[in-house]
Order: sequence, then C-alpha cells, then structure tokens
Amino acid sequence: DQQVKQNSPSLSVQEGRISILNCDYTNSMFDYFLWYKKYPAEGPTFLISISSIKDKNEDGRFTVFLNKSAKHLSLHIVPSQPGDSAVYFCAARSGGSNYKLTFGKGTLLTVNP
Amino acid sequence: DVKVTQSSRYLVKRTGEKVFLECVQDMDHENMFWYRQDPGLGLRLIYFSYDVKMKEKGDIPEGYSVSREKKERFSLILESASTNQTSMYLCATLTGPEAFFGQGTRLTVV
Repeated sequence: DQQVKQNSPSLSVQEGRISILNCDYTNSMFDYFLWYKKYPAEGPTFLISISSIKDKNEDGRFTVFLNKSAKHLSLHIVPSQPGDSAVYFCAARSGGSNYKLTFGKGTLLTVNP
Repeated sequence: DVKVTQSSRYLVKRTGEKVFLECVQDMDHENMFWYRQDPGLGLRLIYFSYDVKMKEKGDIPEGYSVSREKKERFSLILESASTNQTSMYLCATLTGPEAFFGQGTRLTVV
C-alpha cells in the first residue's frame, strides 16, 4: 500500500515559468513532509520541508503548500531554471521516537531553455 | 556539513556472492537507513537502525540483512546476491525532519 504518491512520472516546463509538483499521502500520522532533488548517479539532496501544522513554507524560489484536509502537498518552483531539471521526490516522516521517511516514486522535471 | 560516505560508487558482483555495502556518517546521528532506488519505484526502505545493535525491517527486507556495531557505521549485507538486487543503494542518516544521503552505490549483479 503506497502511503506517499506522486502520480505524475514526468513534467516538462519552459525556463522562467512555474513548475508545480504534486504529492498525495494517506497516513494522517505523518508529522513532516519533505522534498528532495536527485540527479543521476548522486544521492538525493534536501530541498525544503513543512511541518504538518503549517500550510506553507517558502525558501527562495521554492514554496511548499500543504492541504491537510485533502492530504495533498505541492512544490512550486518559480522561476524554473534548466539546472532544476532532476527527479523530485516527496517524502513524509512517521514514527514516535524511531523516525523513518517514506518516499514517493518521484517526478522527473525537465526545464527547457 | 553532514557527511555520509558509502564505501563504493560502483560494484559488480556475481550471483550467489555475499556482498557488503558500507556506510559511515560523521555527525553522531542515531537513525540510519538503507534504501534502494529503482526506475519507476522510487526509494524503498530496506532496513533502518535507531541505535547501535538495533535494527528494524523496512518495506523490502527480504534477501538483505544489516549490521550496526558502531554508531557511525551501518552495513547492508546481501547474503546471496541475485540479479533482481541490481539497483542503486542509498544510505541515509536522519536528524530532526531532514535526511542526509550518501552518494549511492550502483550495484550490478551478473
């Protein structure tokens, strides 16, 4: 049973436009949500996170929105740049004292010059 | 900066071999994880550990075991490698809500 879902395997946008990546989850006990970026042959790198008690977090060009009632979060990248082309993973943290992260399947973002 | 180091970037092993993947972190984090990444499947949790000598099964533990004898080192063991274990293996530590990943080991089993 997939608890974190990224239903779009890929997304293509033009440089300078907005990229919106979506993620849905099923477990109401997740307390943090995170976005990671991954280039081929490298480990994922942390982008931005949001606590389950917030509805928005912003860091430069990256903004994450959380809609708890819909169990949905999204990552907005504005403006998109060619260097943003990568696989983006949505992740959610669960656990009391022994935390773990559950990841979605990822979305390949391609930003065209 | 947190550093998570995996012992090999690329490995080629034969079917049936016992394979050790090593991971070392330098930040004294308690929680360590092993994931594998496959196209279309995302990152799937194999095993994790929240303390020395403690281990927990993740979502896909079959065919794997782990060892954590020291806090900074978390080893993934493929007891008898099979071709369906060809994958990218990623080690991570967790502090607060954020996970830090190693550079990954691309394992090919032939």
